[in-house]
Amino acid sequence: DAKTTQPTSMDCAEGRAANLPCNHSTISGNEYVYWYRQIHSQGPQYIIHGLKNNETNEMASLIITEDRKSSTLILPHATLRDTAVYYCIVIYSAGGTSYGKLTFGQGTILTVHP
Amino acid sequence: DADVTQTPRNRITKTGKRIMLECSQTKGHDRMYWYRQDPGLGLRLIYYSFDVKDINKGEISDGYSVSRQAQAKFSLSLESAIPNQTALYFCATRGSANEKLFFGSGTQLSVL
Repeated sequence: DAKTTQPTSMDCAEGRAANLPCNHSTISGNEYVYWYRQIHSQGPQYIIHGLKNNETNEMASLIITEDRKSSTLILPHATLRDTAVYYCIVIYSAGGTSYGKLTFGQGTILTVHP
Repeated sequence: DADVTQTPRNRITKTGKRIMLECSQTKGHDRMYWYRQDPGLGLRLIYYSFDVKDINKGEISDGYSVSRQAQAKFSLSLESAIPNQTALYFCATRGSANEKLFFGSGTQLSVL
């Protein structure tokens, strides 16, 4: 699986958009970008994933650059409850089968303040 | 009921003891994973299994063993616990390709 690089920490004001970057410069054509978050010591929670196109769901938007070497998770209107550690990981998948170890890095600590 | 259940939630044990952490899931997923998390660090993969007959080592498998008793059950054992195995342990499951991981609530293990 491709290695990812994320900033250690970020701050965001409540109500503003939080933009969390992730670099995955060695990503291959069959690797998907996934985002998870972990609040306190709970189990990580899935947010969104994508391959090439930008994606949006009820939680967030995912913007993937054209060369796919980086992506940005956008929380459009951050709330205090969005304070968490955010993980960006890449997962190889081909032929309907997913391979890889699903390894997590250290993630980005996002703090949303009033 | 939770889709992925880990037992126990908390465990305190002594150095040298054998410990088993259990994970069961009701999602019918083939893929199951065990991770550990140390304070201030991300999750590190211990073992993973793609089906009952397929078990693979992760990043930090030394000192651990696993058993996939059935599709729904994946247990992690510490044969002889040591203090640096004190950590928060998570089990996760995943269905077919491109599906998301579902995590359990975690087991906090303390080895004295």
